[in-house]
Amino acid sequence: EVQLVESGGGLVKPGGSLRLSCAASGFTFSSYSMNWVRQAPGKGLEWVSSISSSSSYIYYADSVKGRFTISRDNAKNSLYLQMNSLRAEDTAVYYCARDEDSNYPFDYWGQGTLVTVSS
Amino acid sequence: SYVLTQPPSVSVAPGQTARITCGGNNIGSKSVHWYQQKPGQAPVLVVYDDSDRPSGIPERFSGSNSGNTATLTISRVEAGDEADYYCQVWDSSSDHPGVVFGGGTKLTVL
Repeated sequence: EVQLVESGGGLVKPGGSLRLSCAASGFTFSSYSMNWVRQAPGKGLEWVSSISSSSSYIYYADSVKGRFTISRDNAKNSLYLQMNSLRAEDTAVYYCARDEDSNYPFDYWGQGTLVTVSS
Repeated sequence: SYVLTQPPSVSVAPGQTARITCGGNNIGSKSVHWYQQKPGQAPVLVVYDDSDRPSGIPERFSGSNSGNTATLTISRVEAGDEADYYCQVWDSSSDHPGVVFGGGTKLTVL
């Protein structure tokens, strides 16, 4: 059974940093691209970042470029999102999701982890 | 950057057909995916590549895509279909390729 479990969310002050993790199981992690998608309270889905299976291709939304860094460790079946210079508008539930490659759908999603940026 | 436009809300009576649109410039040339999200839950893929259904998704869910509009159609709507629905594409046309989501449509079953 495919499972994606996010962790690392919490309360952080503006300007602070946080590192999210996504533990994957039930599939060959190294064969899939992975993604972070967030959802602010009461708002729609917003794509954050994508990383290809071998980390050769990395993409970011303009809203996070230069502040967030996506990475993965295929030996540990894990995806990460390092978030720096956090702002109030980064407050959201962060989901990890897998796809086969760009242009493919996100066929499995985690349950999300909440990040709250507030003083 | 590429923009996907969805109506904020659609209402339909049980047993009727709901149609949720997703507008974008020449979206017919892209592969469109649709997700259902119920309150407090993660999104679930219901249609991919314009009109294909993942295993486990009822045949009542179908999709089409042509010109500037993609459409998710839910036939014989049930109370359990009440949810938010999002369309999604991969935009490779700009200098900054990436994933684009529509703003979402809240389906209300009357």
